[in-house]
Amino acid sequence: DAGITQSPRHKVTETGTPVTLRCHQTENHRYMYWYRQDPGHGLRLIHYSYGVKDTDKGEVSDGYSVSRSKTEDFLLTLESATSSQTSVYFCAISESGWAVMNTEAFFGQGTRLTVV
Amino acid sequence: QQPVQSPQAVILREGEDAVINCSSSKALYSVHWYRQKHGEAPVFLMILLKGGEQKGHDKISASFNEKKQQSSLYLTASQLSYSGTYFCGTDNQGAQKLVFGQGTRLTINP
Repeated sequence: DAGITQSPRHKVTETGTPVTLRCHQTENHRYMYWYRQDPGHGLRLIHYSYGVKDTDKGEVSDGYSVSRSKTEDFLLTLESATSSQTSVYFCAISESGWAVMNTEAFFGQGTRLTVV
Repeated sequence: QQPVQSPQAVILREGEDAVINCSSSKALYSVHWYRQKHGEAPVFLMILLKGGEQKGHDKISASFNEKKQQSSLYLTASQLSYSGTYFCGTDNQGAQKLVFGQGTRLTINP
């Protein structure tokens, strides 16, 4: 199994509080991604990183920020959590970009976040 | 833009075949297929590139029609272990953004 760890695995937080989710990898892969998964919507890209301090927005980036100060860590922050951000969050890593033959993304086990 | 998968759900008996389709409204550079079992992380199955290259699973095949902007995943002689939700991910720019479809839930019964 690829070395990718998400923490925490479960979290309940109150509306309006800041929350940070962590993705840690031991594969030294260049690309890291944050997705959220909701029933009927599949996996939606929030933000991604293509190197240390290099990040960009995905489809549903409003209300989220990210940081990547080291190759192995990619942090997702909800500045002020809302109930609409209740979801399962997946981190993924890949060695190269999506349009390269040998690209295979590995997903973490997910973080279930509930905002009450 | 999110690709559209069809069907949304399918129920089969063990040994039957299934086809899952993925359509995009934009030109495709690559299509990726993943399977997710309940409560688990998605797992890589296949990648298909514009131009015909593909890499993937030895018991699952897929096609990529660039003109129709579609991909289909073929599951033959299905096994109980094939149950799960299948996602296609499409890359419209040859870049870093992979957009996933809403998923197709496959149930295999004995």
